[in-house]
Amino acid sequence: KQEVTQIPAALSVPEGENLVLNCSFTDSAIYNLQWFRQDPGKGLTSLLLIQSSQREQTSGRLNASLDKSSGRSTLYIAASQPGDSATYLCAYAGGTSYGKLTFGQGTILTVHP
Amino acid sequence: DTAVSQTPKYLVTQMGNDKSIKCEQNLGHDTMYWYKQDSKKFLKIMFSYNNKELIINETVPNRFSPKSPDKAHLNLHINSLELGDSAVYFCASSQGQSSYNEQFFGPGTRLTVL
Repeated sequence: KQEVTQIPAALSVPEGENLVLNCSFTDSAIYNLQWFRQDPGKGLTSLLLIQSSQREQTSGRLNASLDKSSGRSTLYIAASQPGDSATYLCAYAGGTSYGKLTFGQGTILTVHP
Repeated sequence: DTAVSQTPKYLVTQMGNDKSIKCEQNLGHDTMYWYKQDSKKFLKIMFSYNNKELIINETVPNRFSPKSPDKAHLNLHINSLELGDSAVYFCASSQGQSSYNEQFFGPGTRLTVL
């Protein structure tokens, strides 16, 4: 059974902190892993996509890494801001999934001023 | 704007009714998906279509029937709605059915069954 676990389930930090969100998955044959942001009552915004051949991707203050051998990905957010407050979801496409994404349950991030 | 769009954004209806949710993408993609996000915020795939052909059907009740009139549209029709169908339904698209391709999501349709 394909599973994705995200830790922590919730995180509250003061503005300016650097933080790490963790994602672990059971499928060793992943094709890619995506990190998404979901704001309350809104859709999913794709933040970063890491292909299976890559180790990390960066976009602005965000950096995502992928370690297939250990089945882990981390999302690093530098100098957090209140506007970063949202739910962060990781999802992977693996095996013969024909594009099917398997999602974790997300980390709810609150950045307070 | 290039995007994945869904209508309606909100849908409130009575048990037993039949309803449809529409999805359109103008990204030029040939693969579209429906995902369901339940009350615990857990997202699971329901269907995938590639060039109007069904690729993935993830143990979804027969009351759910996707329809793809062309590769830019994937609509979801639900018969005999039940309380447990209440959820947020997301449409997504990608270029190709390969698992290497990035998926882009619509804003979601919040369905409430009373």
